Amino acid sequence: GAGVSQSPSNKVTEKGKDVELRCDPISGHTALYWYRQRLGQGLEFLIYFQGNSAPDKSGLPSDRFSAERTGESVSTLTIQRTQQEDSAVYLCASSLAQTGRANYGYTFGSGTRLTVV
Amino acid sequence: ILNVEQSPQSLHVQEGDSTNFTCSFPSSNFYALHWYRWETAKSPEALFVMTLNGDEKKKGRISATLNTKEGYSYLYIKGSQPEDSATYLCASRNTNAGKSTFGDGTTLTVKP
Repeated sequence: GAGVSQSPSNKVTEKGKDVELRCDPISGHTALYWYRQRLGQGLEFLIYFQGNSAPDKSGLPSDRFSAERTGESVSTLTIQRTQQEDSAVYLCASSLAQTGRANYGYTFGSGTRLTVV
Repeated sequence: ILNVEQSPQSLHVQEGDSTNFTCSFPSSNFYALHWYRWETAKSPEALFVMTLNGDEKKKGRISATLNTKEGYSYLYIKGSQPEDSATYLCASRNTNAGKSTFGDGTTLTVKP
């Protein structure tokens, strides 16, 4: 597609429920990132996928969070047993490969606003 | 973990004023510095990707400089307009890390 697509745009869920967020990156972008922004805070790195390499999961805040990516396309971020502190805007971004000294700006999706009540 | 800091946290200026803000980042193992503009209800949009010490980039009335030896970048906006109102984010990438670490942003409000 022309841009990075995220769904749903808004999600309200009850505490304890599982949620799944979806990201469809730009075709040809081998790098895909998940970040989140909690209220009043900056962008927090969650996970990074680069091609067929093992993902960098160093930002996932707990084992309730997991993410998968199908080849070099769609990614899903799953949050199990949601807690109120999980409420945030979850942003997905994609880029051309960030390998070696190659550097490319990210193209962000419009985000999923998750509210845990 | 990189520590990327931006200042000021927020800024209010009048239309026509010129302004600048700062991003500081660890200078060791530096690879790249990105600037983004994030308008309310929209996605962050890439402004500049900077890699070399002394780099200067310009896009219309917005420009940026980079000092990798001392670990800072300045973003300048000349003759601010209300449509420049947004949060400006910087992000730093270091050696062999595919991901960037973002600062908390500077929120600019331009009053007509």
